[in-house]
Amino acid sequence: GAGVSQTPSNKVTEKGKYVELRCDPISGHTALYWYRQSLGQGPEFLIYFQGTGAADDSGLPNDRFFAVRPEGSVSTLKIQRTERGDSAVYLCASSGGLAAYNEQFFGPGTRLTVL
Amino acid sequence: AQSVAQPEDQVNVAEGNPLTVKCTYSVSGNPYLFWYVQYPNRGLQFLLKYITGDNLVKGSYGFEAEFNKSQTSFHLKKPSALVSDSALYFCAVRDKNYGGATNKLIFGTGTLLAVQP
Repeated sequence: GAGVSQTPSNKVTEKGKYVELRCDPISGHTALYWYRQSLGQGPEFLIYFQGTGAADDSGLPNDRFFAVRPEGSVSTLKIQRTERGDSAVYLCASSGGLAAYNEQFFGPGTRLTVL
Repeated sequence: AQSVAQPEDQVNVAEGNPLTVKCTYSVSGNPYLFWYVQYPNRGLQFLLKYITGDNLVKGSYGFEAEFNKSQTSFHLKKPSALVSDSALYFCAVRDKNYGGATNKLIFGTGTLLAVQP
């Protein structure tokens, strides 16, 4: 497709379980970002990749959160030992390069609910 | 730290009337500013950006925004609102560190625009 895609669209899990969220960026985009949006709030930055490497992971809330992008395209956000406070919409975005003036194109998000 | 503020949780406007959604910023140096729109159960869609140059920026769907450095504002505007413009609007600014602008976007809390027919 032409846009950023994310799977699953919804994920319900139990406290303590492990989850993986997937992001397929726009073809050819080298930069990929993860944000988290809680109810009634704007998106908050988690991590971004340039190619395969994490260029900035300063937004990851703790070591239960981890993300990979092994081939420089698809990325997976991994959350271990989920907590109820992790419930949010997780947004992925991509852009055509590192230039700070490039706009980011967002996917539809994955709604994570931790029971 | 860089930040943006959207002082209005909701803006109500009648269809056909002009609309303004407010945004102010706090950034050291020159800001890179963005507006995004979010429709229910959909991702954020890019509307427009200000990087440098003309203070009036034109974007998608007839929207425009005016960069005002003295007032540190970047208000979103449209001359004639449509019911279909009803959505959640976010202002955002590129974060900065000692190396300059980063790729991290800092978002406001959003403003719900409700256009009545």
